[in-house]
Amino acid sequence: EVQLLESGGGLVQPGGSLRLSCAASGFTFSAYAMSWVRQAPGKGLEWVSSIGSDSTAFYTDSVKGRFTSSRDNSNNTLFLRMNSLRAEDTALYFCVKSSVTGDPIPFDYWGQGTLVTVSS
Amino acid sequence: SYELTQPPSVSVSPGQTARITCSGDALPRQYAHWYQHKPGQAPVIVIHKDTERPSGIPERFSGSTSGTTVTLTIRGIQAEDAADYYCLSADSSGTSQVFGGGTRLTVL
Repeated sequence: EVQLLESGGGLVQPGGSLRLSCAASGFTFSAYAMSWVRQAPGKGLEWVSSIGSDSTAFYTDSVKGRFTSSRDNSNNTLFLRMNSLRAEDTALYFCVKSSVTGDPIPFDYWGQGTLVTVSS
Repeated sequence: SYELTQPPSVSVSPGQTARITCSGDALPRQYAHWYQHKPGQAPVIVIHKDTERPSGIPERFSGSTSGTTVTLTIRGIQAEDAADYYCLSADSSGTSQVFGGGTRLTVL
């Protein structure tokens, strides 16, 4: 059974940093691209970042230069380092798995999400 | 940055047909995928690669494409189909993924 378990969310002041983690199990983690998707309160889904099996990462424009995705294939863990956080980064952050090897989308499995709140 | 455009809301009566559109310049070159999202649940993919229905998804869900617009069609609407629906695709380079703004389907 595929499981994705996010952690690391919380309350942080504007300009602060957080590191999200996603522990994956039930599939060959190293073979699949992984992504982060967020949903701000009352808003729609927003793609944040994807990282390939080779650790090449891509980002949505609003987080470029501030967020960094990484992965530890030995420990089946995905990370999102978030720096210079802004109020508009407040959202539920989902760890998601690609359904196919070699492409970042579509997604087939989602974690339950971890809440990031940026506020003073 | 690349955008996908969906209508904010669609309302239909039970048994009727709902059509939700998604428009974007790269859609002739990039596949679109459709997700159903209900509150408190993980999104579920209902259509992938423009027109393919994953196993376990009812036959009343279908997808079509024409130029820069893809359409999710739900026939014989049931109360359980009420949800937010999102299209997902990539820009022309394939490096940026994007969700449409979402369409809230209301079953009257």
